[in-house]
Amino acid sequence: AQSVTQPDIHITVSEGASLELRCNYSYGATPYLFWYVQSPGQGLQLLLKYFSGDTLVQGIKGFEAEFKRSQSSFNLRKPSVHWSDAAEYFCAVGEGGNQGGKLIFGQGTELSVKP
Amino acid sequence: DAGVIQSPRHEVTEMGQEVTLRCKPISGHDYLFWYRQTMMRGLELLIYFNNNVPIDDSGMPEDRFSAKMPNASFSTLKIQPSEPRDSAVYFCASSPLYHQPQHFGDGTRLSIL
Repeated sequence: AQSVTQPDIHITVSEGASLELRCNYSYGATPYLFWYVQSPGQGLQLLLKYFSGDTLVQGIKGFEAEFKRSQSSFNLRKPSVHWSDAAEYFCAVGEGGNQGGKLIFGQGTELSVKP
Repeated sequence: DAGVIQSPRHEVTEMGQEVTLRCKPISGHDYLFWYRQTMMRGLELLIYFNNNVPIDDSGMPEDRFSAKMPNASFSTLKIQPSEPRDSAVYFCASSPLYHQPQHFGDGTRLSIL
């Protein structure tokens, strides 16, 4: 069965430091991959998506992610974190076949930013 | 364009009462999804619709839960009777096409006492 694993439940980084959030997926075919961010009391906002093509994708707010098929990974990166980036981040894989737009989400990684 | 609109934002009610959550998807989006978010289980897909037709309701926890989409601009998720373990944040999301990104509402925080 398809699954998404985010190994880090909580990460703390200093403001201005670089960030990498890990995501591993299990899926038989070429996956559709997404990263979402959730601020407290709000819904999920799309950061970026990968469907095909260039394996390095750029998103909003200065985030990027790299799809590595050999490692079944889709890690999220940002070169310099801002205090406003503190939130929860979710990786998701879209099921194919006849499952329409169904997404499987990871458990999320909570990001804290130190001044 | 307005985003996905959910109401109410907060709901507190007593066990046994009927609860109805409402969602207005983004105009033109063919897919509508209902999710539940808890600390223990994370984000769970409950049910989703395509062109107002339920496609997959395998995530609906039990018969106390039901969802409808009478037209392209409105959906409801109903819990009857409600139980304390139903306390969670319920999200509605919509997307325009197959495998296009989903747009989420701000959720309904439900507390069953």
